[in-house]
Amino acid sequence: AQSVTQLDSHVSVSEGTPVLLRCNYSSSYSPSLFWYVQHPNKGLQLLLKYTSAATLVKGINGFEAEFKKSETSFHLTKPSAHMSDAAEYFCVVTLQTGANNLFFGTGTRLTVIP
Amino acid sequence: DTGVSQDPRHKITKRGQNVTFRCDPISEHNRLYWYRQTLGQGPEFLTYFQNEAQLEKSRLLSDRFSAERPKGSFSTLEIQRTEQGDSAMYLCASSLGSGTSSSYEQYFGPGTRLTVT
Repeated sequence: AQSVTQLDSHVSVSEGTPVLLRCNYSSSYSPSLFWYVQHPNKGLQLLLKYTSAATLVKGINGFEAEFKKSETSFHLTKPSAHMSDAAEYFCVVTLQTGANNLFFGTGTRLTVIP
Repeated sequence: DTGVSQDPRHKITKRGQNVTFRCDPISEHNRLYWYRQTLGQGPEFLTYFQNEAQLEKSRLLSDRFSAERPKGSFSTLEIQRTEQGDSAMYLCASSLGSGTSSSYEQYFGPGTRLTVT
């Protein structure tokens, strides 16, 4: 079965420290992978996407993710957390090459402590 | 504002009633998607349109649910005979796309929160 697993339901970091949100995927095909962020009472926003080009993907707001096929991982990182980064983060995969719908993980809630 | 809009933002209804939600995508986007998000979960795909054609439906979309996109612009999602289990956030997204490409970014609306009492 094709799926995405977010290993932590909640991550808490201090402001100014690194962020690591973990994601593993399972796919029978070459996947397209995404990270979306959802702030309270706001729509989902795309942070970054991997579509078989460079394995290290840079996104908005200083976030980046690295596609590691051997580890079937697509972890999201940021060198220094900001208070405004507090939100729900979703790792997302397409179920198969050419699929038009997105398959979301269960989400990781990021808390940033001042 | 040129983003995806959804109406209403909140809907409270009694069990057994019908409800209809509207989604207005970004104007030049030919693809439109509906998702459902329950508390503590990620969004789940319901259905997808390319222009006016409904090309894919999830098994989550029971026969009480129907979606339309009559002129390839806005879309409606209707739920008939609502049940308490239908309580969720209903999200709409739109994108540009052609062929089988799935790499085009989906832009999400703010959602319609449905509460069935």
